[in-house]
Amino acid sequence: DTGVSQDPRHKITKRGQNVTFRCDPISEHNRLYWYRQTLGQGPEFLTYFQNEAQLEKSRLLSDRFSAERPKGSFSTLEIQRTEQGDSAMYLCASSLEGQGVTQYFGPGTRLLVL
Amino acid sequence: KNEVEQSPQNLTAQEGEFITINCSYSVGISALHWLQQHPGGGIVSLFMLSSGKKKHGRLIATINIQEKHSSLHITASHPRDSAVYICAGSGAGSYQLTFGKGTKLSVIP
Repeated sequence: DTGVSQDPRHKITKRGQNVTFRCDPISEHNRLYWYRQTLGQGPEFLTYFQNEAQLEKSRLLSDRFSAERPKGSFSTLEIQRTEQGDSAMYLCASSLEGQGVTQYFGPGTRLLVL
Repeated sequence: KNEVEQSPQNLTAQEGEFITINCSYSVGISALHWLQQHPGGGIVSLFMLSSGKKKHGRLIATINIQEKHSSLHITASHPRDSAVYICAGSGAGSYQLTFGKGTKLSVIP
């Protein structure tokens, strides 16, 4: 257990539905990252927050995806109008500025879109 | 575009064997990470290297900056080492990680 938690751990939804995932980073960590991992592949970067500001966003993050970190603590990732291609493991990680670039990963949320 | 390539994709070893996993990376990457992913998704950071060599228990990570190559070694491998090992790179001024596809290691008793 790295101290990063994600909820839910598993989500099954029908195509076209909206889903929202939550990530709670290690409490003093000011940086938070979202990644997506499909079967047999390494994770791919989606977006990064420093405190409440979203500083980097991958072109993988289409307009159906939105991420927020309103108070600089927990973050949410919402996918609107889900598609079967969104099925993946969504991973959250956090790190603390000044402690290098080591990121601590949560257990992930596995999404299956039917 | 930052790129990271790992080899081999799959590796089966007998308990006790010395294991090496290789990673090559592109010009834009300034720090190289080794991570371990267990079944069910949990990822643990093992090492972060920008030069030289690091050791933790039976794990050793090395990096050759000129050749843009890193290796992860496991000495006296054990079945509990079975996992996916992933190398990932971060570029100067960016905090996003670019991941390799991972090496699935199975250590047989």
